[in-house]
Amino acid sequence: SQQGEEDPQALSIQEGENATMNCSYKTSINNLQWYRQNSGRGLVHLILIRSNEREKHSGRLRVTLDTSKKSSSLLITASRAADTASYFCATVFSGSARQLTFGSGTQLTVLP
Amino acid sequence: GAVVSQHPSWVICKSGTSVKIECRSLDFQATTMFWYRQFPKQSLMLMATSNEGSKATYEQGVEKDKFLINHASLTLSTLTVTSAHPEDSSFYICSARDPTTSTDTQYFGPGTRLTVL
Repeated sequence: SQQGEEDPQALSIQEGENATMNCSYKTSINNLQWYRQNSGRGLVHLILIRSNEREKHSGRLRVTLDTSKKSSSLLITASRAADTASYFCATVFSGSARQLTFGSGTQLTVLP
Repeated sequence: GAVVSQHPSWVICKSGTSVKIECRSLDFQATTMFWYRQFPKQSLMLMATSNEGSKATYEQGVEKDKFLINHASLTLSTLTVTSAHPEDSSFYICSARDPTTSTDTQYFGPGTRLTVL
C-alpha cells in the first residue's frame, strides 16, 4: 500500500523561483528516491538518498532526509518551465524485497 | 543510462478480450521487473514483482488469474490482462532494476495506456 504522503499536492510557481516538495513516510527505510513524471509518460529517476545521509545535491536539485521525523524534501532551484511535471518520492523499506513504495505525488507547474 | 521499453504505448480493446503488454530492458539484463498501475492524477501502485524463471509475486488485492505475468527471459516480462473490463482501464507502467549496480534505482518504461470499451 502507498505509504508516503507528499505535500503540497499541487504547486504553481513562476519561472526562476524555487520549488520545495515534502515527503513523509511511516516505517524505517533503506533509502528514499525522487522521481519525475511528465504527463502520460514513464518515470525518470532524479536522485537517491540513503538512510545514513542527510543531504544530497544533483545540479539544481537538493534533497534532504530526516530519519527521526521520517521526512524528506526536494528543492528545485531556479525553476524552469520544463520542470513542470509530477514529482514522486519513493521509499525502499529496510528488509524489504527492494520494492519501491510511492508517495502521493506533487504536481508542479512552472509558469513562464 | 539503462533503458526500458514498453509495447504497445496505448491499446483500446473490447470488454472480454485479453491484452498483452511487453516490457523489455534494452541494454541490461533484469532478473527482476515490476508492474505498476496508475489511475489519472494518482500515484503508482505496485501490482506485482516479476522474477525471471519463477512465478511472479503479487501484491495484496491483485488477482493473479486476471493479471498474468510471464518473465521468460532476462530482458522481457509480459503482463496479460485477461477478460478485460472497463474498470481495468488504466496506465500500466513497468520498471526494472539493473542487478549490476548496487543501488535500488528502478528504470521505468514509458507506460501503456489501456482503454477497455
